[in-house]
Amino acid sequence: GNSVTQMEGPVTLSEEAFLTINCTYTATGYPSLFWYVQYPGEGLQLLLKATKADDKGSNKGFEATYRKETTSFHLEKGSVQVSDSAVYFCALSEHNFNKFYFGSGTKLNVKP
Amino acid sequence: GAVVSQHPSWVICKSGTSVKIECRSLDFQATTMFWYRQFPKQSLMLMATSNEGSKATYEQGVEKDKFLINHASLTLSTLTVTSAHPEDSSFYICSATDGGSSYNEQFFGPGTRLTVL
Repeated sequence: GNSVTQMEGPVTLSEEAFLTINCTYTATGYPSLFWYVQYPGEGLQLLLKATKADDKGSNKGFEATYRKETTSFHLEKGSVQVSDSAVYFCALSEHNFNKFYFGSGTKLNVKP
Repeated sequence: GAVVSQHPSWVICKSGTSVKIECRSLDFQATTMFWYRQFPKQSLMLMATSNEGSKATYEQGVEKDKFLINHASLTLSTLTVTSAHPEDSSFYICSATDGGSSYNEQFFGPGTRLTVL
């Protein structure tokens, strides 16, 4: 079956630190992979996506590479800001299917 | 970009009453809409998938008679929580897919906070 596993939080970093949030997946086919961000009291916003192996998604300084060999899609950012504090969800969707599978979310706290 | 709205953003109701939550796609036609429930500090749990003009498909363990979903048009889906009880208090989020997207990207609404007293 399909599933997404991501590292448990919370992750607490100082401003300008390097961020990695690990995400691995299990899929029966060839999924698209996504990172969504949820700010307090709000819905989910798409952060970045990758649709095939070796694709790199990037946005707002965040990036993640679709690694089929390790079934991973780790989120990275070189220098986090306080405004990056949020919950980050890794997700997958099979092509031609609308169903999304979400990880449990990782809360990021960035301190000034 | 594609925008999905939800109304209301928060609602408080008495136990035993019914509450309706609306989900609208504002600038695209949503062939499929999804309803999720999110418990505090937890991930999203898919409740049901609805396609315009047809009955919703509910996930295992979700009571279809309690959570009524109607997808009457390509821009509107409603979730009605019938005879709500305190355990139904949660954050409900809808999402929609644009039938023209080749990557099945889902666009999420801002969520509705339901509190049942």
